Amino acid sequence: GENVEQHPSTLSVQEGDSAVIKCTYSDSASNYFPWYKQELGKGPQLIIDIRSNVGEKKDQRIAVTLNKTAKHFSLHITETQPEDSAVYFCAAIPNTGNQFYFGTGTSLTVIP
Amino acid sequence: SQTIHQWPATLVQPVGSPLSLECTVEGTSNPNLYWYRQAAGRGLQLLFYSVGIGQISSEVPQNLSASRPQDRQFILSSKKLLLSDSGFYLCAWALGDSREQYFGPGTRLTVT
Repeated sequence: GENVEQHPSTLSVQEGDSAVIKCTYSDSASNYFPWYKQELGKGPQLIIDIRSNVGEKKDQRIAVTLNKTAKHFSLHITETQPEDSAVYFCAAIPNTGNQFYFGTGTSLTVIP
Repeated sequence: SQTIHQWPATLVQPVGSPLSLECTVEGTSNPNLYWYRQAAGRGLQLLFYSVGIGQISSEVPQNLSASRPQDRQFILSSKKLLLSDSGFYLCAWALGDSREQYFGPGTRLTVT
């Protein structure tokens, strides 16, 4: 099955700096890659996703890039704010089956 | 719009007691439904998923079970809880064609 690795496990940045979280996947059949933000005590929220037919997608301060050849994708947050502090999860979903394969999470802290 | 509900929000149960957690989805039909468990500070562990009424796939052998008595209702149960069952239980739904998965608010279970 699919194996998703996520780095780093923890990340601290100064407010206003950029944050980058990277994930790799193993199954070349994966074609959908969402990112989730989980605040303390809440369920994960889908914040951005990318499908395998595009290489980059942006939504205001967040962007995701995908390199299908290298089997890795990244989340980029620019101009970070304290409210960006949370745990972020990546996931890879193969084009067959109904399972979602999640990374182990990155705890992001934005220091004011 | 679609919404997902989970209850109870928090639960404290003694070892050996039964468990029933409920998840319902509104505003969509025939969703795929998922149960995840998240230990403190850890990632998301898929427990069960369902693609239709009465259809349950189990990912982790354990003393938990799941049922889907109605299209938009997913129930997680146990006959006898163990200390290791403590955690944050998340229900999620997805539509098979879009692959986007949305999580509920979660249930915090503490087994004492």
